[in-house]
Amino acid sequence: QSVLTQPPSVSGAPGQGVTISCTGSSSNIGAGFHVQWYQHLPGTATKLLIYANTNRPSGVPDRFSASSSGTSASLAITGLQAEDEADYYCQSYDGSLSALVFGGGTKLTVL
Amino acid sequence: EVQLVESGGGLVQPGRSLRLSCTVSGFTFGDYAINWVRQAPGKGLEWVGFIRSEAYDGTTDYAPSVRGRFTISRDDSKSIAYLQMNSLKTEDTAVYYCARARLVGDTSPFAYWGQGTLVTVSS
Repeated sequence: QSVLTQPPSVSGAPGQGVTISCTGSSSNIGAGFHVQWYQHLPGTATKLLIYANTNRPSGVPDRFSASSSGTSASLAITGLQAEDEADYYCQSYDGSLSALVFGGGTKLTVL
Repeated sequence: EVQLVESGGGLVQPGRSLRLSCTVSGFTFGDYAINWVRQAPGKGLEWVGFIRSEAYDGTTDYAPSVRGRFTISRDDSKSIAYLQMNSLKTEDTAVYYCARARLVGDTSPFAYWGQGTLVTVSS
């Protein structure tokens, strides 16, 4: 059971948009610890999409955006493309565990 | 180009030890913290631990699940970080990734990742 809760899967047609939620608690997101988002293709590549809740590293398309409020965060992807099909993970810090923590991951399927 | 390459994975019996290496290129290794993250079969990502740069005393921290069994070290002269895994358990079976922090002085987020090395703990 992950400390940060994500839906197991989401899907959308090319060109459409999806949102992936990340629900935490008062000891992580709710405590003000930053949320990061990663795109993970097992054994191939892992990419930092968003850091410090809302910031995109250079080279990440503006189709990817994120927000954070209270004990939750979300990642929005617009204009879905086939290459967006991957696993997406949120990550933060948990003060009670004194550890960096990941969500359980969400598999995005582009229909 | 920033590159991180993990090596040293393989099949090991429960209770035995294994050391993984993370060899980097494309940046000044000594300036950055290095993390280890793992993914068990069919499971999500799990943070294992980090080692800060020597400028930040080279301090380490670990996930509760590996604390006391795993040790991270670094050799700045060789641009290699190590993950020493002792008293291995079957639940340590996973692909292990090393990842570099985004900024000098930070331990997170993880801006660059390797492609991983598989560790299988089984008798």
